[in-house]
Amino acid sequence: DTAVSQTPKYLVTQMGNDKSIKCEQNLGHDTMYWYKQDSKKFLKIMFSYNNKELIINETVPNRFSPKSPDKAHLNLHINSLELGDSAVYFCASSQRAEQYFGPGTRLTVT
Amino acid sequence: DQQVKQNSPSLSVQEGRISILNCDYTNSMFDYFLWYKKYPAEGPTFLISISSIKDKNEDGRFTVFLNKSAKHLSLHIVPSQPGDSAVYFCAVGRSGGGADGLTFGKGTHLIIQP
Repeated sequence: DTAVSQTPKYLVTQMGNDKSIKCEQNLGHDTMYWYKQDSKKFLKIMFSYNNKELIINETVPNRFSPKSPDKAHLNLHINSLELGDSAVYFCASSQRAEQYFGPGTRLTVT
Repeated sequence: DQQVKQNSPSLSVQEGRISILNCDYTNSMFDYFLWYKKYPAEGPTFLISISSIKDKNEDGRFTVFLNKSAKHLSLHIVPSQPGDSAVYFCAVGRSGGGADGLTFGKGTHLIIQP
C-alpha cells in the first residue's frame, strides 16, 4: 500500500536513447514533483505540477519533460540521454509544505 | 551557492545518548523547516517539521529547534537507537507549500554505535 511509487527502480540505458520514469501517488495530493540527486548527493528540484499545470521549471534541459495524465500521476520523459543524466530521480507529492517521496529510480547512462 | 548547509557529513553517537544534527540556511524568505531521514536505496522519509512562528517542535524522541535570528535549526534525537542510523537531510521551504519545491542540505550520515 505504497503512498508514492515509481517504476522502474533501476534503469540502465545507452547514450542517445529516450526513456521514461513513471510516478503514482495515492495520497490525494494536489502537487507532485521530480527531484534529482546527483553524484554529490544534493537533492534538487526539477519540476512540480499542481492540478496538471507546470508551476516550477528549474534550469533543466528541455530534453526532460514531465507529463501528467491525471492528478495522481507525474511521469518523467527524457530524450537523447547523456552521461551526465546518470543520477537517482525521486518523485514526491504534497498537499502542504511536507513532501512525501517515492523510493527513487537509479538511472545509469552508458 | 548552497542555501542550506549541513556542515557535518557524518556523526557517530553511542546508543542511548543524544544525537544533535545541525543545519544553517541563508535565505530569510524560508519559513518552514523540515527534517527527512533516508536509508540506502530508499526515498527520503518525512520526520518532523517546524514553522517560523515556533522555536521548538517535539514528536516523541525527536525535537527540532529553530533559531531564526541565527538562521539555524537542529534536530535532537534522544535516546538514540540503532535504527536511527541513516542519512538525515535538512530541508527548507515556504509554509504555503503548494508548488514550491524544497531546498535540501547535503545530509548528515548518523551512525549509532551499540
